[in-house]
Amino acid sequence: QKEVEQNSGPLSVPEGAIASLNCTYSDRGSQSFFWYRQYSGKSPELIMFIYSNGDKEDGRFTAQLNKASQYVSLLIRDSQPSDSATYLCAVYFGNEKLTFGTGTRLTIIP
Amino acid sequence: SQTIHQWPATLVQPVGSPLSLECTVEGTSNPNLYWYRQAAGRGLQLLFYSVGIGQISSEVPQNLSASRPQDRQFILSSKKLLLSDSGFYLCAWSVTGGITEAFFGQGTRLTVV
Repeated sequence: QKEVEQNSGPLSVPEGAIASLNCTYSDRGSQSFFWYRQYSGKSPELIMFIYSNGDKEDGRFTAQLNKASQYVSLLIRDSQPSDSATYLCAVYFGNEKLTFGTGTRLTIIP
Repeated sequence: SQTIHQWPATLVQPVGSPLSLECTVEGTSNPNLYWYRQAAGRGLQLLFYSVGIGQISSEVPQNLSASRPQDRQFILSSKKLLLSDSGFYLCAWSVTGGITEAFFGQGTRLTVV
């Protein structure tokens, strides 16, 4: 069974601080990893993807991948109230489909 | 650029009534297509996916079905809705054969009453 696990939260972070979101997955052979943001009542939107071990930065967002330990994380620097949302981790295990975690609800406190 | 259209945005249906949700993709050919459902406060559950016309894979046994009559059209159906079918239904597409992200439509909020 291919699984993606996330802490459901809620995770509360003060405005301006760093929010750290974590995700673990079950298949060591997985090749690609995605972070989606979902605002309440809206559809998920892709914010980051990462394929290689290490860090990938895009603006205030950094994705970190450690394939040996089978985890991927998302850091949000200088957190803003507009970052309050549910963050979904997704992993491509093969077979033409993504498997999603249950999401972590993030709240940025002004 | 590619776009995905999903309708309707909201739907209220009585128990036992039929369902048809439609999704179309523009600006790409031979996409992979997906139907997900998200119950309130829950994660995304993959219901069906399709890698080509007429090719449907079912992930979860239930009273729903899916069809792909055209390359960029994906339809989710039910003959008789149950209360447990309520949820947020999302259509998505991705590039075939690649290890790529999925892009979502706006979703349909279905309430079965």
